[in-house]
Amino acid sequence: QVQLQESGPGLVKPSETLSLTCTVSGASINNYFWSWIRQPAGKGLEWIGRIYISGGTNYSPSLKSRVTMSVDTSRNQFSLRLTSVIAADTAVYYCARDVRCDSGNCYYGLDIWGQGTMVTVS
Amino acid sequence: QSALTQPASVSGSPGQSITISCTGTSSDVGGYNYVSWYQQHPGKAPKLVIFDVSNRPSGVSNRFSGSKSGNTASLTISGLQAEDEADYYCCSYTTTTTVFGGGTKLTVL
Repeated sequence: QVQLQESGPGLVKPSETLSLTCTVSGASINNYFWSWIRQPAGKGLEWIGRIYISGGTNYSPSLKSRVTMSVDTSRNQFSLRLTSVIAADTAVYYCARDVRCDSGNCYYGLDIWGQGTMVTVS
Repeated sequence: QSALTQPASVSGSPGQSITISCTGTSSDVGGYNYVSWYQQHPGKAPKLVIFDVSNRPSGVSNRFSGSKSGNTASLTISGLQAEDEADYYCCSYTTTTTVFGGGTKLTVL
């Protein structure tokens, strides 16, 4: 059973850097794409970015200047860094398994999600 | 990249069918068969109910179905049940980004 678990500080000061890690269990991080998504209280989902195991990344155009994602295959983890945070970055942050490919076929959907972690900028 | 457009709310009675639309552009919904749909209950993580426009993950009820025409995708839920009351989000993958819809609150009357 594949599980994802977000971890990191729940409180970050304005102008500082938000850092979160997602630990993957039950599957190798090597075979999939992985995404970060956030959701401010009472609002909709916002995609932040994705990382491929080759280290390739795609970021949301609106956050691109402040976002960096990385992967640690030895720990089966991937990470998010968001710099110069402001109050509007306060949200529940989710990690999720993204595109998966099997025998030459790829499937596009965020099929497994972490439980989410609340990050407050204050 | 603008968010995909969904109705803010829809409602239906138990046993009825409802459809939620999701409108994008030729650069996202219309350009790729990579639309997915998510169900989210309050306080919970989203759950994938449709991927690649019309495919259901294992374990998702066959009451959920998806389709696409041009730049608009649709999620249909048939035989509405009380447990279907939730927020629903569409999502479109492109080669450089992913974009969500604003979400639709489904109320089962």
